Amino acid sequence: NAGVTQTPKFQVLKTGQSMTLQCAQDMNHEYMSWYRQDPGMGLRLIHYSVGAGITDQGEVPNGYNVSRSTTEDFPLRLLSAAPSQTSVYFCASRLAATYEQYFGPGTRLTVT
Amino acid sequence: RKEVEQDPGPFNVPEGATVAFNCTYSNSASQSFFWYRQDCRKEPKLLMSVYSSGNEDGRFTAQLNRASQYISLLIRDSKLSDSATYLCVEGSSNTGKLIFGQGTTLQVKP
Repeated sequence: NAGVTQTPKFQVLKTGQSMTLQCAQDMNHEYMSWYRQDPGMGLRLIHYSVGAGITDQGEVPNGYNVSRSTTEDFPLRLLSAAPSQTSVYFCASRLAATYEQYFGPGTRLTVT
Repeated sequence: RKEVEQDPGPFNVPEGATVAFNCTYSNSASQSFFWYRQDCRKEPKLLMSVYSSGNEDGRFTAQLNRASQYISLLIRDSKLSDSATYLCVEGSSNTGKLIFGQGTTLQVKP
């Protein structure tokens, strides 16, 4: 199993550009989540999904969209990048029956 | 008040020392707690689960104090390789979500 994979590992965007961060898992996990991690702020939940076709907002959803058309994939779209979105983004997945969450390696995004 | 609070540290300890971190939580109904470990610039990974009776795994002991609403992580005989950030996590009984503390940084010195 590859676990949770994320692409790209690094990205630099200009203000106003859009892009999609990719996330995939091959463990047949129902739950998938996107977090951002900033210094001194810990992990903050952006959006999450409890299954294909179902998504919901987390703590900091503004400026981001998600979709979950398959169990495996959970892309995160930045609609119009802003410098405040400079962060490290982690995708994670888990089975609905447990709290053991598996994280991808992260995407380091810089918006200039 | 944050739902899960940790002292960010850093905790600087010599090799072989015993070190303990605490974490407080605000939801008295929550049942499930965890410690995750995060190495510098890497993803978090589950270290231990903490249930009502606590948990021990080698040099690591995690305990839950419901009366005072805190969990603790004790590391005995610290190794250089224990240097990392330790994240306290609550499994919310209300929403099913995981709520992360901001992490406590440990530096073990030779």
